[in-house]
Amino acid sequence: AQKVTQAQTEISVVEKEDVTLDCVYETRDTTYYLFWYKQPPSGELVFLIRRNSFDEQNEISGRYSWNFQKSTSSFNFTITASQVVDSAVYFCALIPNNYGQNFVFGPGTRLSVLP
Amino acid sequence: ETGVTQTPRHLVMGMTNKKSLKCEQHLGHNAMYWYKQSAKKPLELMFVYSLEERVENNSVPSRFSPECPNSSHLFLHLHTLQPEDSALYLCASSQGLAGGPGELFFGEGSRLTVL
Repeated sequence: AQKVTQAQTEISVVEKEDVTLDCVYETRDTTYYLFWYKQPPSGELVFLIRRNSFDEQNEISGRYSWNFQKSTSSFNFTITASQVVDSAVYFCALIPNNYGQNFVFGPGTRLSVLP
Repeated sequence: ETGVTQTPRHLVMGMTNKKSLKCEQHLGHNAMYWYKQSAKKPLELMFVYSLEERVENNSVPSRFSPECPNSSHLFLHLHTLQPEDSALYLCASSQGLAGGPGELFFGEGSRLTVL
């Protein structure tokens, strides 16, 4: 069975603080893909990153960075120097390579960045 | 023009009404999806169409009826809904990649309220 857990339901930080959003996944497949999406108040989910199971290099994109660790089945997301515009719900998602197009989403973490 | 457009953005209907949600993608993708997002629940995949054929149908009640007349358009026909069907319905599209599943591009959603 495939499962994605985001244990943090809600997080509040003050602007300029760093914040890490946790994602733990379960799958028996050896080939799979992990994603992070951002859902601002407007509603549409915005793609942030796609990572396959064979690429454990950490990635940095501006203030965003991702730490993928297969040993702990985690794919955590860090925002450095958070800004009010980062306030949103963030979803982690998993899809095994041979699982058609059935993305499995985590429950999401609501991040509030206070001025 | 956004990549994935959904109409209407808001819909209120009675339990005996018949209505439809519309989704259009301008990205040239070959797969389209309907997701349901309810409060405090993970995103639920309802239907997937790939090359205009339905490839996923996750035990969705028959009061929801999808239609995909071409690769750019997707409908969700609604009839005799229940109050518990009130939710945000999100449409998404993706393009399969040689290296695995492509990321989903989402619309802003249709907020449905069933009275």
